[in-house]
Amino acid sequence: EAQVTQNPRYLITVTGKKLTVTCSQNMNHEYMSWYRQDPGLGLRQIYYSMNVEVTDKGDVPEGYKVSRKEKRNFPLILESPSPNQTSLYFCASKQGLTDTQYFGPGTRLTVL
Amino acid sequence: SQQGEEDPQALSIQEGENATMNCSYKTSINNLQWYRQNSGRGLVHLILIRSNEREKHSGRLRVTLDTSKKSSSLLITASRAADTASYFCATLLSSGSARQLTFGSGTQLTVLP
Repeated sequence: EAQVTQNPRYLITVTGKKLTVTCSQNMNHEYMSWYRQDPGLGLRQIYYSMNVEVTDKGDVPEGYKVSRKEKRNFPLILESPSPNQTSLYFCASKQGLTDTQYFGPGTRLTVL
Repeated sequence: SQQGEEDPQALSIQEGENATMNCSYKTSINNLQWYRQNSGRGLVHLILIRSNEREKHSGRLRVTLDTSKKSSSLLITASRAADTASYFCATLLSSGSARQLTFGSGTQLTVLP
């Protein structure tokens, strides 16, 4: 089944404790993105990747890192999480620039 | 500011009625996409309409695009309780880089049984 998976689905952590949210897609898509969703703000793009070893900042990259060592995986790293990073995070992938995106199920992160 | 803005922010209708949601945007687009999100879940793609198209249908969904007014509408006919969800429009700008799929803040649709 074609899908985007994220882990963990729920995470509660404390300020400053490094964490990684994994994202994997099995559709051989070139493009992958991370979004965060906050009430009243819709989805805002954090980082995106156009292919292996090619990543770039989205609209809200501060406090986040990503890597794309393999085509299927695109982990989101929070080196020192802060409470303002409490949010619902979505990974997405697509094949072509103008194609539709496939979203993962989301990761709800709470930073205390 | 956001590229796409949905209107209304919330809509409540009775089962069987039609639901219309609107999306306005600011700059030239390559395509416009509508997504649905059930509470706390991932977004599911509904329909994509390209800038040279004016109307598309998919089952009970009808999407229109007016590039002169920079607006789109999503019509759900004969709504069902299961249509209750948030609906987002997303625009892909004409000058393309992968980052430029921009989402609005969504319309929360409630269909009452």
